[in-house]
Amino acid sequence: NAGVTQTPKFQVLKTGQSMTLQCAQDMNHNSMYWYRQDPGMGLRLIYYSASEGTTDKGEVPNGYNVSRLNKREFSLRLESAAPSQTSVYFCASSELIYYEQYFGPGTRLTVT
Amino acid sequence: GDSVTQMEGPVTLSEEAFLTINCTYTATGYPSLFWYVQYPGEGLQLLLKATKADDKGSNKGFEATYRKETTSFHLEKGSVQVSDSAVYFCALSDPYNFNKFYFGSGTKLNVKP
Repeated sequence: NAGVTQTPKFQVLKTGQSMTLQCAQDMNHNSMYWYRQDPGMGLRLIYYSASEGTTDKGEVPNGYNVSRLNKREFSLRLESAAPSQTSVYFCASSELIYYEQYFGPGTRLTVT
Repeated sequence: GDSVTQMEGPVTLSEEAFLTINCTYTATGYPSLFWYVQYPGEGLQLLLKATKADDKGSNKGFEATYRKETTSFHLEKGSVQVSDSAVYFCALSDPYNFNKFYFGSGTKLNVKP
């Protein structure tokens, strides 16, 4: 039982490049989330998926897109990376939308 | 709207000292309250939770009591260890506001030997 897994762990991009962050959970959870964590700013919600087939914007969605591929997987895409997107990205899941969340280990992204 | 306010850090303590990290909240309904811990280089882990007023959550020697009258959920531990050094996040979820799970800004704890 791996919980929430994220790939890659580290990534360096040049400005304008695109990439997709992958997230998968094996807990049969309905809801999944993407956060970014910046120094001194806590966690900020980018997008979430309350259930398979639905996605909604969070607090800071600009510059990102998401896909809820199936119940297990929720990916985050940066279409044209910018230095302001340098951050640590966390995926999380929960049984239902307002239940406690379980986090992956994070992806550290640097955009130069 | 809903929000969570935590005490500013960092908090520096000597081993075996008593720990309190304050957390207060604002919510429209009857939220569930959580404490998460983040060790260096890792994701957040659920430490404890309480789902209704007067509930006490506890885990690994940490405790927090859901106080509706003071809208607080302070984290306490009687005797901290060096291994407790981490960032602690208070959080709430409001079943009347399905869109949000609110996190505090985090409090860094440093425990010295």
